[in-house]
Amino acid sequence: DAKTTQPNSMESNEEEPVHLPCNHSTISGTDYIHWYRQLPSQGPEYVIHGLTSNVNNRMASLAIAEDRKSSTLILHRATLRDAAVYYCIPQRRGGSQGNLIFGKGTKLSVKP
Amino acid sequence: EAGVTQFPSHSVIEKGQTVTLRCDPISGHDNLYWYRRVMGKEIKFLLHFVKESKQDESGMPNNRFLAERTGGTYSTLKVQPAELEDSGVYFCASSQDRREAYEQYFGPGTRLTVT
Repeated sequence: DAKTTQPNSMESNEEEPVHLPCNHSTISGTDYIHWYRQLPSQGPEYVIHGLTSNVNNRMASLAIAEDRKSSTLILHRATLRDAAVYYCIPQRRGGSQGNLIFGKGTKLSVKP
Repeated sequence: EAGVTQFPSHSVIEKGQTVTLRCDPISGHDNLYWYRRVMGKEIKFLLHFVKESKQDESGMPNNRFLAERTGGTYSTLKVQPAELEDSGVYFCASSQDRREAYEQYFGPGTRLTVT
């Protein structure tokens, strides 16, 4: 399984963009890069995933490095509700649908 | 569409007692997962059902834990007898059967406290 490295914590001001980095230098060529987040007192929540190209959805954008050894989750305008722990998780492409391996993640604080 | 639901939201039991946690996945999701977070640790996988069959139970800590998914719908996770180190939050998740990338939808969790 690919190992990931994320900063323990980050701070942002409300309404400003946030860039959450993840290093996954041992990722396999067949692994998707998924991001989940966990808001306080809730279960984890899917945010976005990608393979090689940058991806956008209503929640965030995902920028994947050309060598796929790192990626960045981008929240374009942070809100107080975005305060959560964000997890970067490689996931095997295709095959049986296996479990998610959670690391420590990045705790994002958003200041008003 | 209803999300993943878990019951109870909180359970407090004494060491040696039995507790059964329930998870109702999203309708139509064949894949059902159990995870848990014990105090101060990361979220860890316990097991994975595909319909009523156990696909992967490599994360189950010991034989005090028994998971079932009768009829491929809801699932139960029984802890018998409970020990102090079983305290934590137990999450259930479900996903559709897709060949490529798939997202898992998590329930709110059951907080188990063993005293």
